[in-house]
Amino acid sequence: GENVEQHPSTLSVQEGDSAVIKCTYSDSASNYFPWYKQELGKGPQLIIDIRSNVGEKKDQRIAVTLNKTAKHFSLHITETQPEDSAVYFCAAKDGANSKLTFGKGITLSVRP
Amino acid sequence: DAGVTQSPTHLIKTRGQHVTLRCSPISGHKSVSWYQQVLGQGPQFIFQYYEKEERGRGNFPDRFSARQFPNYSSELNVNALLLGDSALYLCASSYGTLRTNEKLFFGSGTQLSVL
Repeated sequence: GENVEQHPSTLSVQEGDSAVIKCTYSDSASNYFPWYKQELGKGPQLIIDIRSNVGEKKDQRIAVTLNKTAKHFSLHITETQPEDSAVYFCAAKDGANSKLTFGKGITLSVRP
Repeated sequence: DAGVTQSPTHLIKTRGQHVTLRCSPISGHKSVSWYQQVLGQGPQFIFQYYEKEERGRGNFPDRFSARQFPNYSSELNVNALLLGDSALYLCASSYGTLRTNEKLFFGSGTQLSVL
């Protein structure tokens, strides 16, 4: 089955700097890659997603890039703000299954 | 519009008991999925239901079961609770099954503690 790994496990940046979170996946058949943000006491919130036929997608300060050959995808957050502090999860879905496989999450801290 | 709603928000049970968790999907969504999130880990897939039929099952024991009702709401049942079942149980809804790459939206979860 699919295996998704995230690194690093924690990331601390200064407000206004950029943050990059990387994930790798194992199943070359995976075709959908969402990113979720989870704040304390809440469920994961979908912030951006990308399909395997697209290499990059951007939504305001957030962008995601996908490298199918290397089987990795990254979340880029520019001009970080304290409210970006949260746990971020990447996930992957293969074409055969109806489930998402999640990474273990990364805790992003934005220092004011 | 209301998002995915789950009840109860918190629950404390003892070993051996059973529990029923409830979920209402976003209006118009026909699919409900259940995930278990252990502290410090990502969510892990338990079940997906679409149009009242099971469409996927994760690697969980038979103590876990679920069903979906005609109004698309869903229940997750866990029997013979173990300490290791303590976790945040997340419900997620989508319009269709994930086979068509539908976006998945999560509720805030039910925090289950087994003592």
